Amino acid sequence: EADIYQTPRYLVIGTGKKITLECSQTMGHDKMYWYQQDPGMELHLIHYSYGVNSTEKGDLSSESTVSRIRTEHFPLTLESARPSHTSQYLCASSEFWGDEQFFGPGTRLTVL
Amino acid sequence: GQSLEQPSEVTAVEGAIVQINCTYQTSGFYGLSWYQQHDGGAPTFLSYNALDGLEETGRFSSFLSRSDSYGYLLLQELQMKDSASYFCAVRGQGGKLIFGQGTELSVKP
Repeated sequence: EADIYQTPRYLVIGTGKKITLECSQTMGHDKMYWYQQDPGMELHLIHYSYGVNSTEKGDLSSESTVSRIRTEHFPLTLESARPSHTSQYLCASSEFWGDEQFFGPGTRLTVL
Repeated sequence: GQSLEQPSEVTAVEGAIVQINCTYQTSGFYGLSWYQQHDGGAPTFLSYNALDGLEETGRFSSFLSRSDSYGYLLLQELQMKDSASYFCAVRGQGGKLIFGQGTELSVKP
């Protein structure tokens, strides 16, 4: 079954740690996205990718980085986590621009 | 700049009809989408309007007026499970989606 996965679902870490949030999709989509969402607020695009070896920064400035070495995999890395990074991170993919985006279940990150 | 406005919350009773409005200002416009999100879970796609008019999918309909920079989501025969947040999103330049702040819909018995 085609789907989009995120791990971990929940993560609590201390300040200064390096973390990688995983995102994988089995739909063969070229377009992938990372959004940041605080409780009760809108989704903010922080990174996106046109395809393999292509990454772009989104509209919300973020200290995270991403990579796209394989079509199905789009991990997000924080080199040194801070309490201000506490949020929910949602990964999504789509076949075309502006098309229906399929979202993963999200990772709830808490930095102490 | 780019901005979307939608009401922060709406309350309705089971079986009723509710309309959630969305007005937008963008530097480029290619379509308006609607997403549903239950209690911080994954947003799920509901509809997409690229052209003016009404699109109907079961109990949900979505409308777009490009000249008025306005759209709405219409939910009919409301059910308790429809209680969720609803986001409008504009497809702007570069194909990226810009989301509104979301409307929290509460359906009462």
